[in-house]
Amino acid sequence: GEDVEQSLFLSVREGDSSVINCTYTDSSSTYLYWYKQEPGAGLQLLTYIFSNMDMKQDQRLTVLLNKKDKHLSLRIADTQTGDSAIYFCAETPGGYQKVTFGTGTKLQVIP
Amino acid sequence: DTGVSQDPRHKITKRGQNVTFRCDPISEHNRLYWYRQTLGQGPEFLTYFQNEAQLEKSRLLSDRFSAERPKGSFSTLEIQRTEQGDSAMYLCASSISRGHGEQYFGPGTRLTVT
Repeated sequence: GEDVEQSLFLSVREGDSSVINCTYTDSSSTYLYWYKQEPGAGLQLLTYIFSNMDMKQDQRLTVLLNKKDKHLSLRIADTQTGDSAIYFCAETPGGYQKVTFGTGTKLQVIP
Repeated sequence: DTGVSQDPRHKITKRGQNVTFRCDPISEHNRLYWYRQTLGQGPEFLTYFQNEAQLEKSRLLSDRFSAERPKGSFSTLEIQRTEQGDSAMYLCASSISRGHGEQYFGPGTRLTVT
């Protein structure tokens, strides 16, 4: 298939961990990205992972990559209300030239 | 570094009119991309430039759409004879052609066609 798939919605309590999952399409994607979009704003690059890595940690963010299953996840530790946003995973099929985005997961953080 | 800027931020136009959007990338970035985002969807790739050369166009980019980057710096996206289906957020991004290739996005131009 051509679609990068994500679940549409996730609700967590403040202080808990959030895990957002993504299934991408192209095993030749060199980099995989996570972007954050707040209401009315553009996309903010959160983190990326190179395809030869299994895991990357960056402060509260942990990215896990399972190339065999083409599965990518983003874990946010100690989720805060400011983390409420839409999170997009994205791949670079065939190289860097364009990015294919998933449909986005809306994260709602309950105080 | 002022980031990627887009102008205007909002545009309301009547069906059949032409509109033009501008994107100013991060100054040292040689690649520039245009995406379209509709409500509830992720951005969809439209086209990209390396310097002044337009290297790829999506099949989403109909004949009514044209993009230019004449001096390899800012870019314009023109939509001729707008249709209601063109209503969307138009996003611009830029990157360098080495390193990790990550794209940095502007705030977007929201187009409403009435």
